[in-house]
Amino acid sequence: NAGVTQTPKFQVLKTGQSMTLQCAQDMNHNSMYWYRQDPGMGLRLIYYSASEGTTDKGEVPNGYNVSRLNKREFSLRLESAAPSQTSVYFCATSGGGEFNPTEAFFGQGTRLTVV
Amino acid sequence: AQKITQTQPGMFVQEKEAVTLDCTYDTSDQSYGLFWYKQPSSGEMIFLIYQGSYDEQNATEGRYSLNFQKARKSANLVISASQLGDSAMYFCAMREGLSTGTASKLTFGTGTRLQVTL
Repeated sequence: NAGVTQTPKFQVLKTGQSMTLQCAQDMNHNSMYWYRQDPGMGLRLIYYSASEGTTDKGEVPNGYNVSRLNKREFSLRLESAAPSQTSVYFCATSGGGEFNPTEAFFGQGTRLTVV
Repeated sequence: AQKITQTQPGMFVQEKEAVTLDCTYDTSDQSYGLFWYKQPSSGEMIFLIYQGSYDEQNATEGRYSLNFQKARKSANLVISASQLGDSAMYFCAMREGLSTGTASKLTFGTGTRLQVTL
């Protein structure tokens, strides 16, 4: 029972390089999210998704793209990494309905450094 | 405008005392959920307590209770009988769009760092 699996755990990129952060869940949740966490800023929503093929922008989408490949997987891509994208990235999922929403379940996070 | 506001960057509390962490929110949805999470120094996010917008009673989970004042749009977390292990970052979060059938947006505040002292 893995829950939410996020890879990689650590990554160092050079400015201008690209990479994809992977997230997979086995909880059968519809909603999936990508956040970045910076000191003093809390968790800021980058993108979120209700279902396969649908995505919505969050608070800080610039410089990122996402793909909801299927119900289980939601990936985050940095096309041309910048030092400002140095952060800890979290994937999360949530489910349930209007009167019984679940809490969010989180991956372990990816610590990304762009040099 | 901030969706979730936590005005206390840091708080201190003595062991065995109670502490209240403040959270105010902003939404035009009728159906939404409010959550509190704890993030220890190890980095994982730990769910503590949930309050639905339709719930008339304040939520409680062990030593945690949520003081929900809907008209004031506040959802403060109360930790009773603080323990040293409660030292961590605490985040308030809101899930909106629950009734629309589309993706429900989950937004976090900037957090409060709680330190429990002897």
